[in-house]
Amino acid sequence: DAKTTQPPSMDCAEGRAANLPCNHSTISGNEYVYWYRQIHSQGPQYIIHGLKNNETNEMASLIITEDRKSSTLILPHATLRDTAVYYCIVRSWDNYGQNFVFGPGTRLSVLP
Amino acid sequence: DSGVTQTPKHLITATGQRVTLRCSPRSGDLSVYWYQQSLDQGLQFLIQYYNGEERAKGNILERFSAQQFPDLHSELNLSSLELGDSALYFCASSVGTSGEQYFGPGTRLTVT
Repeated sequence: DAKTTQPPSMDCAEGRAANLPCNHSTISGNEYVYWYRQIHSQGPQYIIHGLKNNETNEMASLIITEDRKSSTLILPHATLRDTAVYYCIVRSWDNYGQNFVFGPGTRLSVLP
Repeated sequence: DSGVTQTPKHLITATGQRVTLRCSPRSGDLSVYWYQQSLDQGLQFLIQYYNGEERAKGNILERFSAQQFPDLHSELNLSSLELGDSALYFCASSVGTSGEQYFGPGTRLTVT
């Protein structure tokens, strides 16, 4: 399985862009990068995913490097409600089918 | 609100007992996933069902079992409970087998 590496924590000022990096240097050609977040002990929330092109939706933008070994999730105008743990996940397949591996994630604190 | 419901919200039971956690997926979703989140282990994928059949298996103990019923709701059965089984148990659903999963609010299990 491709593994991901994220900084354990980051701070961001309210109203500024939050840029959360993720390293996935062993990613395979057909593996997608997914981002989820978890606010306190709520169920994780899907944010965005991509394969090789940059993606944008109403929540965030995902920038994937050309070699696909790293990516950055961008929250363009962070608010206090964006304080959460952000997980970068690479979807892999094994003999039993789809398997998700959540790492420890990045704890983002948005400061007033 | 993700549209995924889980019952009960909280469950307190004794070691050695058996419990059943229930999950109703979003309308139209065929896949159901179960995850365990404990303080020291993070979010662990347990098992996935797709349209009633087991599709993927993660770190699920032999004391745990799950099934998905014809109406697509799913149950996770935990038996011979140990103190270490105390955790948040999340259910998620997706339309197919994509990584865009929608999580329920979780069931907090406390084993005493």
